[in-house]
Order: sequence, then C-alpha cells, then structure tokens
Amino acid sequence: AQTVTQSQPEMSVQEAETVTLSCTYDTSESNYYLFWYKQPPSRQMILVIRQEAYKQQNATENRFSVNFQKAAKSFSLKISDSQLGDTAMYFCAFEHAGGTSYGKLTFGQGTILTVHP
Amino acid sequence: DAGVTQSPTHLIKTRGQHVTLRCSPISGHKSVSWYQQVLGQGPQFIFQYYEKEERGRGNFPDRFSARQFPNYSSELNVNALLLGDSALYLCASREWDSSYEQYFGPGTRLTVT
Repeated sequence: AQTVTQSQPEMSVQEAETVTLSCTYDTSESNYYLFWYKQPPSRQMILVIRQEAYKQQNATENRFSVNFQKAAKSFSLKISDSQLGDTAMYFCAFEHAGGTSYGKLTFGQGTILTVHP
Repeated sequence: DAGVTQSPTHLIKTRGQHVTLRCSPISGHKSVSWYQQVLGQGPQFIFQYYEKEERGRGNFPDRFSARQFPNYSSELNVNALLLGDSALYLCASREWDSSYEQYFGPGTRLTVT
C-alpha cells in the first residue's frame, strides 16, 4: 500500500517570500503520478501541480515548482513570491498509474500554509 | 462549463439514520470518485465508479455504498450512521483515459449527532 507523509503540520511565510513544503511517499510501484492540491477555507480542492514519475524534469506552474527526487521518494513544493491568496491547506497526493488503483488518490495529512502581509 | 456539483452542502443527521449524498460530474466525465475528509486530515478514498461499474473501493465498512447512473451522476449512501462518519464528503470526476487530473466538487459537510 502507498503512504504519503507530510511532516510539516503548519508553515508560515511573509508575502513575496519563498516557502517550501515537504512530502515523502512510499511505494513499490515504478509508474505513478504525484500531485499537490490546495484546499482554501472554501473547501474546494484545487490542483496546483502534477508530476509524472517517468519524467526526470521537475514540473513548474508559474510561481509553483516541485523538486522530485524519485530515488529518495521525495516530492517538495516550492512557492515563489508568496501571495495572500496562497493561504490554504496543501496536500501532497499519490496515484498509481494503471491497474486497479488507477483513479485512487492517496493523500498526506496536509500542511497549513499561512501567508502574512 | 459547470464544475463538479454536490448536494446538499450541509447535512445534520442522528446516529443510526441513513444518508444519501449526490454528485454531478463535469460534462463529458465518465468517472466519479468519492472521498471522506475528517476535519484536519487528508481525504480518504471511498469508491471509484466508471461507466456505472465500481472500479475501486477503499477500506470502508459495508455501511457505505454507492452507485453511478446512466448520466454519470453518482450517489453515496451511508447506513446506520455513527458519530465517526461526521466529515466532509468530496466527489471528484475525471475523464477515464485522456486526463489524470481529478476535479473536485465543493463537498458535503455531514454532521452526525
């Protein structure tokens, strides 16, 4: 079974600064996807960024980028130029690509990020 | 295009009762998944349905059941409610093969008293 661990229950950052959220996972699979989701107080889960395990290049989406270390099973999220609207709970998630686990997301415990003005 | 919709938004039930939660996927999406999110924790996978068939089930008791209709909407049913069933229930939809992104609805907040 896959497990996802987020070791930082809470993080805070000043507006315009950079923050990194950590995530580690455990799996015996070789083909999978990794995601970071954002859940603001409105509860709507929003996809921030995704990474395919077979790609060596780290994914980037505007101010969001990841550091994917497959051998270390690490998947951290870097938020640059933090904005007040980035305040939310962030979840790291894993999905096996294919087989009976396809479509099943395994989430970490979440990290509450607060951006201060 | 409308996103994933869920109803009701909030629900209060008593222990032992039954509840039905509803989800309408994004138009064109044929797969629906259900997740339970207890306050302060990450979502836990309950079910996945595709083309009206169950394709995956998480570690939840048989009190939890679901189904998908010909229009791809879905219902999650929970029988004999327990206090521990109080949670946010999230529905997510996706196209089966062409996209690995799941789009989440706003959730239904269930409180069991």
